[in-house]
Amino acid sequence: AIQMTQSPSSLSASVGDRVTITCRASQGIRNDLAWYQQKPGKAPQLLIYDASTLQSGVPSRFSGSASGTDFTLAISSLQPEDFATYYCLQDYNYPRTFGQGTKVEIK
Amino acid sequence: EVHLEESGGDLVQPGGSLRLSCAASGFTFSSYEMNWVRQAPGKGLEWVSYIDRSGSTIYYADSVKGRFTISRDNAKDSLYLQMNSLRAEDMAVYYCAREISYDAFDIWGQGTMVTVSS
Repeated sequence: AIQMTQSPSSLSASVGDRVTITCRASQGIRNDLAWYQQKPGKAPQLLIYDASTLQSGVPSRFSGSASGTDFTLAISSLQPEDFATYYCLQDYNYPRTFGQGTKVEIK
Repeated sequence: EVHLEESGGDLVQPGGSLRLSCAASGFTFSSYEMNWVRQAPGKGLEWVSYIDRSGSTIYYADSVKGRFTISRDNAKDSLYLQMNSLRAEDMAVYYCAREISYDAFDIWGQGTMVTVSS
């Protein structure tokens, strides 16, 4: 199974900060990667698919990029509603595998 | 409104069985591939199983293979997960999720809790 190594596991940031989260795949997965946001007690929500395509309705401060087997989710200016846990998911093959998650907390 | 609603979560003893359901509404269920994803308390997300539109192609996580069975009834707009030989490590919130053409999961249910304990 493809392993997705996500970092950091948590970070503290202030409103207005730029934040980046990285996932590294254990092998090539083309751009078959999605990012999800999950708030406590809620289901995950799709932010980005195909590594860099913004899902409809998602604010433009979220962006995704890829370089080889490294994938990055960036939030350009952190807003209060962005404090949550973020997960990457490879959808290149089965079994699908998630990263371990990154909890973004208020500094 | 596009909506998924899981049901069937309960307290079950180790070794027991449970059947989860996911009712779809607001879209043409038969046109979409579906998945189950779970989340143990305080832990991350774990993909569990996939089924294609007709039910002819199915995949499972190694952790549930041979114990769980995914199925669907397109006439009833419903997805199912039959869980047998349940273990403590199966305790989790189980989500059903719709898969879109570019393979991401765009719609999720609210989840149903499965507790495995004696």
